[in-house]
Amino acid sequence: GAVVSQHPSWVICKSGTSVKIECRSLDFQATTMFWYRQFPKQSLMLMATSNEGSKATYEQGVEKDKFLINHASLTLSTLTVTSAHPEDSSFYICSARTGGAQDTQYFGPGTRLTVL
Amino acid sequence: AQTVTQSQPEMSVQEAETVTLSCTYDTSESDYYLFWYKQPPSRQMILVIRQEAYKQQNATENRFSVNFQKAAKSFSLKISDSQLGDAAMYFCASGYQKVTFGIGTKLQVIP
Repeated sequence: GAVVSQHPSWVICKSGTSVKIECRSLDFQATTMFWYRQFPKQSLMLMATSNEGSKATYEQGVEKDKFLINHASLTLSTLTVTSAHPEDSSFYICSARTGGAQDTQYFGPGTRLTVL
Repeated sequence: AQTVTQSQPEMSVQEAETVTLSCTYDTSESDYYLFWYKQPPSRQMILVIRQEAYKQQNATENRFSVNFQKAAKSFSLKISDSQLGDAAMYFCASGYQKVTFGIGTKLQVIP
């Protein structure tokens, strides 16, 4: 299957700082990428849909000024958690959509964010 | 709106045996896909199997197969000859533009 990388795999930061997470599709171009959040022992919660060259579409209840998404190229989307607080600590997962006849989402390995 | 329901929080299977994980969904879309993803302890989401809703033929991938009942909106996953490496959380998902996930079924494989 297609490969999606995510960096960093884990990050610890102080409250009030900003953290950037990168999501890359390594062997295909993805016009659409998705950002999810997963709490322990729970399912994936879609935060936003990231479309290359346009503004991201945020799900209800997700603060767009808090979670900044940029999809500057067909292989890279970034999620920046601004002014992070302990309640933002979570596991963040990105996925990239292949499109085409075998349209499928492939997932990155996730980023564990801990805000102190 | 879409919903995906997995009614089995946990399942267990003896190694080499067969197990079926249940999933039902509801969608207003006429064209959509259905997926099963596996999430082992590493938390990497791995695609197990994919089904296009317009296809009547059930998808298969080696030891993994689905029973897709479109009218009943049911999409169960059968794992044959279960292996220790199959132990993981399994998420059923449905959608086209956006994918909605179920809450998952934790599968334990007993040696």
